[in-house]
Parts: sequence; C-alpha cells; structure tokens
Amino acid sequence: NAGVMQNPRHLVRRRGQEARLRCSPMKGHSHVYWYRQLPEEGLKFMVYLQKENIIDESGMPKERFSAEFPKEGPSILRIQQVVRGDSAAYFCASSPLNRLNTEAFFGQGTRLTVV
Amino acid sequence: KNEVEQSPQNLTAQEGEFITINCSYSVGISALHWLQQHPGGGIVSLFMLSSGKKKHGRLIATINIQEKHSSLHITASHPRDSAVYICAVSRNTGNQFYFGTGTSLTVIP
Repeated sequence: NAGVMQNPRHLVRRRGQEARLRCSPMKGHSHVYWYRQLPEEGLKFMVYLQKENIIDESGMPKERFSAEFPKEGPSILRIQQVVRGDSAAYFCASSPLNRLNTEAFFGQGTRLTVV
Repeated sequence: KNEVEQSPQNLTAQEGEFITINCSYSVGISALHWLQQHPGGGIVSLFMLSSGKKKHGRLIATINIQEKHSSLHITASHPRDSAVYICAVSRNTGNQFYFGTGTSLTVIP
C-alpha cells in the first residue's frame, strides 16, 4: 500500500508560468489536504477536498491558486502566473475520514522554485 | 498569536543526551500530532495523542490536556535523530491541522 504520492518532487518555473502539483492519496483515502511551507516558516493549511468537492478553501490565496480532486486521478493544486513569493514546499496529506483524529499521512512534498 | 507554540526553536545536543521538545496550544483539540521532517524530506508522523503517554523505541510523547501542553522526549539521542520536529493539533471542529513552527534538532556525534 503506497503512501501519499506527490509529484513532481521539485519544480522550477519562471515568473508568469503555471505550476501544477499532483497528489495521489493513500489507497482508500478520500480526503485530501494541501499545506504550504514557506522558507523559515511553519506549515499553513491551504485547502481541504473530498472527491469532486472543495470542502474548505479558507487558506487559499484569493487569486491565482486553485485546487481540484476529480472522481478519477490525483488531486491537483494549480498556481497560475507564479511569482517569486510562491516559492515554497507544498505538502499534501490524506485521511480516510473527515476528521483529523486519525494518524496523519503526508506526501514527500513538491518544492517549487520560481526564478 | 499562533494557536500552537513550540520551544525551543533550535536545539543542539551531544550524542547520547536526553532531549525534550515542548508544545503548548491554545485551542480545543481532538488530537495532537508529533511529526518529523528531515532536511529536504517529507513529513513523517511519529505520534498521535489525545491523552496520556505513548512510547515508540527511544521516542516518548506525553500530553496534559488540562494544561494544554505536550512534550516529545528522545532518549539516548543519535545523529540520525537530527531533523525538524513539528507539533500539530487537529481541532474539535474544522478540517485542518494547526502547526507549530518546528524545533530544529542537531545531534552532534
């Protein structure tokens, strides 16, 4: 049973390009969470999704950022027109339930560098 | 003020020392998690606690719900324990973790 899989592990984009980050949850998990870790800062919640639904996007920047979790395939975090301030590590976590009082399962993260 | 506060921010220890990392939180929680992150690496769950104490190998985690405080202890520390240790809480309501800023541990041989 593979863990939470994120790809790519490293992504370099020029300012103004689009970044697409993928997350495949653990088998049997239908809840996905995205977190951002800015340099020298702690992890911050971005968005919580279930299959085909965004449940809580209170941590998402209002512009340029979007997330989806389609019926088939991985969850995608999309950043349009990237800027240097988007450079960070983006982590995905998954859970089988809609409460986080179960063990946390995180992916390896995608490290985005905007040049 | 952050919902989760950790101390110390940085910690250097000699191999073999007993290490304690502290976490205080200010909100009602359903569980507290201790996570480990190696440089450039992913995040691994070490413990999930809602009461009492848990032990796994040389790692021990305790939580005091009344005082809203948890500690992570490492006995007989080893250089491979060098990592960032992160405290996170999940609340009674809502769908997200709240994270401390992490404690960067370096164990010197």
